Amino acid sequence: KQEVTQIPAALSVPEGENLVLNCSFTDSAIYNLQWFRQDPGKGLTSLLLIQSSQREQTSGRLNASLDKSSGRSTLYIAASQPGDSATYLCAVKGGSYIPTFGRGTSLIVHP
Amino acid sequence: EAGVTQFPSHSVIEKGQTVTLRCDPISGHDNLYWYRRVMGKEIKFLLHFVKESKQDESGMPNNRFLAERTGGTYSTLKVQPAELEDSGVYFCASSQGSSGRTLTDTQYFGPGTRLTVL
Repeated sequence: KQEVTQIPAALSVPEGENLVLNCSFTDSAIYNLQWFRQDPGKGLTSLLLIQSSQREQTSGRLNASLDKSSGRSTLYIAASQPGDSATYLCAVKGGSYIPTFGRGTSLIVHP
Repeated sequence: EAGVTQFPSHSVIEKGQTVTLRCDPISGHDNLYWYRRVMGKEIKFLLHFVKESKQDESGMPNNRFLAERTGGTYSTLKVQPAELEDSGVYFCASSQGSSGRTLTDTQYFGPGTRLTVL
């Protein structure tokens, strides 16, 4: 059974810092891994999707890496801004079409 | 194009009462999914509709939960009678694929309904 862990559970940083969110999964036989953002009262917004054959994906100030063999993914946020404050969720798809989610990292970026 | 919408955004009810949550998927999406996030836990799958048929309801916690999708458009999730442990955020998602049971199928999530059972 796939289990997804996200560390840290919460993070508070000053504006401008570069930061790394971690996601680990127990079964390395994954199809893809996806990072989502959730704002209070809003749905999940897909940020980056990494296929199992890929090592990383980039979008603007976001970079996600994937190391399948070690069961890890990181989401790197460069030059953080208060607007980046949200909960970041990691989800993996293995042999099932149903994604397995982590509990998320709650990020606060203060001015 | 409108995204997935859910109603209500919040619901506060007392134990033993009934609550019905509604989800309107993206127009043209045959696949509709319900998920739940209990406080402090991860988002977990409840069930999957393809059009009006239940494709997979392996995640439904018990028979107090009833999901319907008459006509294959919007879906409702009824909790009757509600218990304290049913509190959480209920998410709906939809996808376009022919069966929804493919790894490549992208699911689009709604904002969720926050249910509080007192």
